[in-house]
Amino acid sequence: DAGITQSPRHKVTETGTPVTLRCHQTENHRYMYWYRQDPGHGLRLIHYSYGVKDTDKGEVSDGYSVSRSKTEDFLLTLESATSSQTSVYFCAISDYEGQGEPQHFGDGTRLSIL
Amino acid sequence: GDSVTQMEGPVTLSEEAFLTINCTYTATGYPSLFWYVQYPGEGLQLLLKATKADDKGSNKGFEATYRKETTSFHLEKGSVQVSDSAVYFCALSDISTASKLTFGTGTRLQVTL
Repeated sequence: DAGITQSPRHKVTETGTPVTLRCHQTENHRYMYWYRQDPGHGLRLIHYSYGVKDTDKGEVSDGYSVSRSKTEDFLLTLESATSSQTSVYFCAISDYEGQGEPQHFGDGTRLSIL
Repeated sequence: GDSVTQMEGPVTLSEEAFLTINCTYTATGYPSLFWYVQYPGEGLQLLLKATKADDKGSNKGFEATYRKETTSFHLEKGSVQVSDSAVYFCALSDISTASKLTFGTGTRLQVTL
């Protein structure tokens, strides 16, 4: 299995609080991604990174920010959490941008915002 | 933009039955196609992939053929087991969009004895 660790695995917090999720990889892969998984939507891309300090928005980026100061760590921040951000969040990594290059996923973080 | 459509679930089958999960896609370029599987409480695992028309991906008895003429990538298995119970996601990526994955909504498969 790809060396991807997401933390925390579960979190319950209140509306309006800041939340940071961490993705740590030991594969030295260049690309890292954050997705959210919701019933009826599959997985949707929030943000991704193509190198240290290089990030870009995905399909559902509103309300989220990211940072990547080291190759191995990709942080997802909800500046002021809302109930609509209750979801399961997955981090993924890939080695390059070539045709057919798969992404490898972490085990997810279940986030509940009350 | 790119999109993936999967058949609605849940799909309930008896052990040793034949499985088909339909997947069709819309893409402007020449995408790669993937099937991922998610077991309860876990992340997604790559099941198989195909990168060009008429390619067949296969793994663990599952197969899918990249059909450009019908824009489809249906997942099949000849004889399912209880251990195949999971959620299956069809996805595509296109190098023209930085290989970002576009997912279908997922199909839950439940296999009973």
